[in-house]
Amino acid sequence: KAGVTQTPRYLIKTRGQQVTLSCSPISGHRSVSWYQQTPGQGLQFLFEYFSETQRNKGNFPGRFSGRQFSNSRSEMNVSTLELGDSALYLCASSLGPGGGNQPQHFGDGTRLSIL
Amino acid sequence: AQKVTQAQTEISVVEKEDVTLDCVYETRDTTYYLFWYKQPPSGELVFLIRRNSFDEQNEISGRYSWNFQKSTSSFNFTITASQVVDSAVYFCALRPVTGGGNKLTFGTGTQLKVEL
Repeated sequence: KAGVTQTPRYLIKTRGQQVTLSCSPISGHRSVSWYQQTPGQGLQFLFEYFSETQRNKGNFPGRFSGRQFSNSRSEMNVSTLELGDSALYLCASSLGPGGGNQPQHFGDGTRLSIL
Repeated sequence: AQKVTQAQTEISVVEKEDVTLDCVYETRDTTYYLFWYKQPPSGELVFLIRRNSFDEQNEISGRYSWNFQKSTSSFNFTITASQVVDSAVYFCALRPVTGGGNKLTFGTGTQLKVEL
């Protein structure tokens, strides 16, 4: 069974640009969550999607947005990139929308570098 | 508010030594889940264990064991006879049973280095 797939693995952008990251969950998983990992702030929750609806949101500015498609694949977008957006972005999938006793399974992440 | 504290930033051990990674948490929720994840250099977070707040039984899985103590809000992780392949960053995380969706609150992680 394929795991969570994130593309691309690495990305280099410059300040002011925008970027779109993609996440394909494990087959049958309908919930997708996004996290940002930086050396200074650690792992921080961005948002969660289920059935194409955002169910939960972390404390990030509006430049960070996401969406989910009918096949449960998800994308996150960051506009007007800043140097501080350099991070490893991790996607996690689980069966249901939240709570429950199901663990989340993570992808390898997309490492975003802002020059 | 929820908080997870992993006070040990980095631990170095020699192969075959036992090592315990500490995790202390704070939450106002009466029911919650606790997790441990392993992050090797490749970046992927690998799920290790989930524990319910209403189940304080300790668990052993091969060389891994977990000690959950609700009275001290701790969920410690022990690796017995450590191996070089155990070298990674280990994260403890917390999630309420209801409310909050799938949002995990992570600790800052403990870097474990196992040397020959």
